[in-house]
Amino acid sequence: DAGITQSPRHKVTETGTPVTLRCHQTENHRYMYWYRQDPGHGLRLIHYSYGVKDTDKGEVSDGYSVSRSKTEDFLLTLESATSSQTSVYFCAISEEPPGLADYNEQFFGPGTRLTVL
Amino acid sequence: QKEVEQDPGPLSVPEGAIVSLNCTYSNSAFQYFMWYRQYSRKGPELLMYTYSSGNKEDGRFTAQVDKSSKYISLFIRDSQPSDLATYLCAMSGNQFYFGTGTSLTVIP
Repeated sequence: DAGITQSPRHKVTETGTPVTLRCHQTENHRYMYWYRQDPGHGLRLIHYSYGVKDTDKGEVSDGYSVSRSKTEDFLLTLESATSSQTSVYFCAISEEPPGLADYNEQFFGPGTRLTVL
Repeated sequence: QKEVEQDPGPLSVPEGAIVSLNCTYSNSAFQYFMWYRQYSRKGPELLMYTYSSGNKEDGRFTAQVDKSSKYISLFIRDSQPSDLATYLCAMSGNQFYFGTGTSLTVIP
């Protein structure tokens, strides 16, 4: 397995509370991603990072923020959790960015199962 | 229109059957096509990737790409109960695009 860990692995929280999920990698890959996975929607990109302090929005970024202060750590924060953010969250890493000209593999973490009541 | 469309299934087949999983896509610029396997309560892991059109074989698995039809397939020969998983297709453009996944069960 690629060296990616996510914490916590499971969390139950209440609507309106802040939540932070952590992704930690030991591969020294430059690119890191946060996805959510929901039935019928598959994997949807929330935010991604292309270096320390360099982040950008994905397809479903509303209600989420991210930070990356070190190469190995990428944090996802739900400022005020809502029930629609109940999901399984996956962190992924890649050495190079996605592109049309080169193949780059993404490696996924084990996921965090978040329930917002 | 979604970039990638995949029949979610579920798909249930008898042991030993040939399984065919399929995706269609809309962006003709895609060049790299991937298949990920995801076991229950685990993260996706890369199963195979192919470049441009053609076939690629790896053991019991064959990935096929038809760029003229914008259609990709994954064939699993001699399916086993251990193939129980969700299979996601993916493509690389300015970001990674994933299908919704097809859930597969192989009945002994």
